[in-house]
Amino acid sequence: SQTIHQWPATLVQPVGSPLSLECTVEGTSNPNLYWYRQAAGRGLQLLFYSVGIGQISSEVPQNLSASRPQDRQFILSSKKLLLSDSGFYLCAWSVPGLETQYFGPGTRLLVL
Amino acid sequence: AQRVTQPEKLLSVFKGAPVELKCNYSYSGSPELFWYVQYSRQRLQLLLRHISRESIKGFTADLNKGETSFHLKKPFAQEEDSAMYYCANPGKLIFGQGTTLQVKP
Repeated sequence: SQTIHQWPATLVQPVGSPLSLECTVEGTSNPNLYWYRQAAGRGLQLLFYSVGIGQISSEVPQNLSASRPQDRQFILSSKKLLLSDSGFYLCAWSVPGLETQYFGPGTRLLVL
Repeated sequence: AQRVTQPEKLLSVFKGAPVELKCNYSYSGSPELFWYVQYSRQRLQLLLRHISRESIKGFTADLNKGETSFHLKKPFAQEEDSAMYYCANPGKLIFGQGTTLQVKP
């Protein structure tokens, strides 16, 4: 069966420090991959999505970036974190052509 | 612009009361709408899809094209229904802002 992992589960980082959040999917090939941020009072915001290795679409301009170095690996990065980057980050995957998305457990990021 | 709107950030009801979580969409065509739920300390998960026309955990949702709505309903709320609910068209990568349902004893 398919599973999706995210780590770390919780992260506390100082302002200006770099960020790397990892997401991996098992049990499927060539999934569509997504990064969302769930901020308090702002709902679920799509940040990036990818339909293949090296193919990244950005939905929201900001100081975050995403990469997909392998088929089932999706990384969210930042060179310098801002206070406003605090939030709950969710990774999701879907089968290409099908609409149901399956979500990872999330990473809670606190920037101080 | 295509949009899914959940007008209520918080809905608080007593156990046993009926629940209706509102969702409206603002685009033409045949929307493929879903409801996702996130219980406390659990991951976001699919609750139901409109094309399935199913009832999950006592919840149902009917697509009303005339009112462009996809409200989530349950006749008798339970405390374990307390969670964050998102209306979405994941195929269009559109999620609503989410509604927190609080069921009080």
